[in-house]
Amino acid sequence: EVQLVESGGGLVQPGRSLKLSCAASGFTFSDYNMAWVRQAPKKGLEWVATIIYDGSRTYYRDSVKGRFTISRDNAKSTLYLQMDSLRSEDTATYYCARQPTGPDYWGQGVMVTVSS
Amino acid sequence: DIQMTQSPSVLSASVGDRVTLNCKASQNINKYLNWYQQKLGEAPKLLIYNTNNLQTGIPSRFSGSGSGTDFTLTISSLQPEDFATYFCFQHNSWPLTFGSGTKLEIK
Repeated sequence: EVQLVESGGGLVQPGRSLKLSCAASGFTFSDYNMAWVRQAPKKGLEWVATIIYDGSRTYYRDSVKGRFTISRDNAKSTLYLQMDSLRSEDTATYYCARQPTGPDYWGQGVMVTVSS
Repeated sequence: DIQMTQSPSVLSASVGDRVTLNCKASQNINKYLNWYQQKLGEAPKLLIYNTNNLQTGIPSRFSGSGSGTDFTLTISSLQPEDFATYFCFQHNSWPLTFGSGTKLEIK
């Protein structure tokens, strides 16, 4: 059974940093592209970033480029999202997702609140 | 960026109804369109990938069609568990984009 479990969320002040992790199990992690998708409270879904299966390429939405870094450790079957210079508009539930042809399996999500 | 426009934003229907949800892309996305269902407080669930492929475990009352810029999700006979919000998603080109959703409500 595919499982994705996010951790690392919480309350953080504007301008500070936070690192999310996503522990994967139930599939060969190193075979799949992976993504982060977020959802602000009572809003729609927003793709954030994708990393290719071997870590060779990454893609970001414009609003997080230069502030967020997606990475992976295939030996640990873990996906990461380093979030720097956080803004109030980054407040959202962040989902980790496996992404073969668009996200198929999703984690349960982790809440990130950016507020002073 | 490719804009994904869903219509209607809210749809009221009854159990047993056949419903169609629409998604229009601002440019050609070929077949690279997925549909997701999201219930309150839960993660999204993949229903249909690449326009018309049913994800494993999804009931056959769900189907997808379309090509290029216009796509539809059809639920042939609504069940009580189908009342939720539905999102379309294009993965033809970066940045990947979601539609704003259609909320399917009980009439």
